[in-house]
Amino acid sequence: NAGVTQTPKFRILKIGQSMTLQCAQDMNHNYMYWYRQDPGMGLKLIYYSVGAGITDKGEVPNGYNVSRSTTEDFPLRLELAAPSQTSVYFCASSWGAFSYEQYFGPGTRLTVT
Amino acid sequence: KQEVTQIPAALSVPEGENLVLNCSFTDSAIYNLQWFRQDPGKGLTSLLLIQSSQREQTSGRLNASLDKSSGRSTLYIAASQPGDSATYLCAVNRETSGSRLTFGEGTQLTVNP
Repeated sequence: NAGVTQTPKFRILKIGQSMTLQCAQDMNHNYMYWYRQDPGMGLKLIYYSVGAGITDKGEVPNGYNVSRSTTEDFPLRLELAAPSQTSVYFCASSWGAFSYEQYFGPGTRLTVT
Repeated sequence: KQEVTQIPAALSVPEGENLVLNCSFTDSAIYNLQWFRQDPGKGLTSLLLIQSSQREQTSGRLNASLDKSSGRSTLYIAASQPGDSATYLCAVNRETSGSRLTFGEGTQLTVNP
């Protein structure tokens, strides 16, 4: 049981490039989330999904896109990368809403120069 | 808008000391509150989750309390050890938006041998 996995661990992008951050979980969780963490700050929710085919925006969705074609995978797409997107990105999952704890992946450190 | 504040931002204590980390939130309409540990360059590890109907939760040397009406939670660490050194984050699950966590900025704890 690997839990929540993320790839890549590190990435450097040039301004205007695009990339996809991968996230997978093997716990059969319905809910999945993408957060970003800027230096010295807490995490902010980018997008979340309550099940395959269903996604919704969080606090900071601009510049990102997501899809959820399977229960296991929840990729995050960055289009036209900007320096403001330099951050550490965390994927998380939970069995359901409300009462359930969220389990986090190890993160992807992204630098846009 | 829900805001979560953690005080202090950093704390340094000698090994063996008992300590308290504080978390406050502005909107008392929450489903639960979760405490996480984050080691440098790593993801988040869930420590304790307190439901809004509960007053406290305990796990080993950790005890978390919740006073929903006053918008406060504390994480008590007994007999601190150097291995407890990490950043501790609290996050509230807002009642009006399902399982969407709002994070504080964290308390960076250093336990000196």
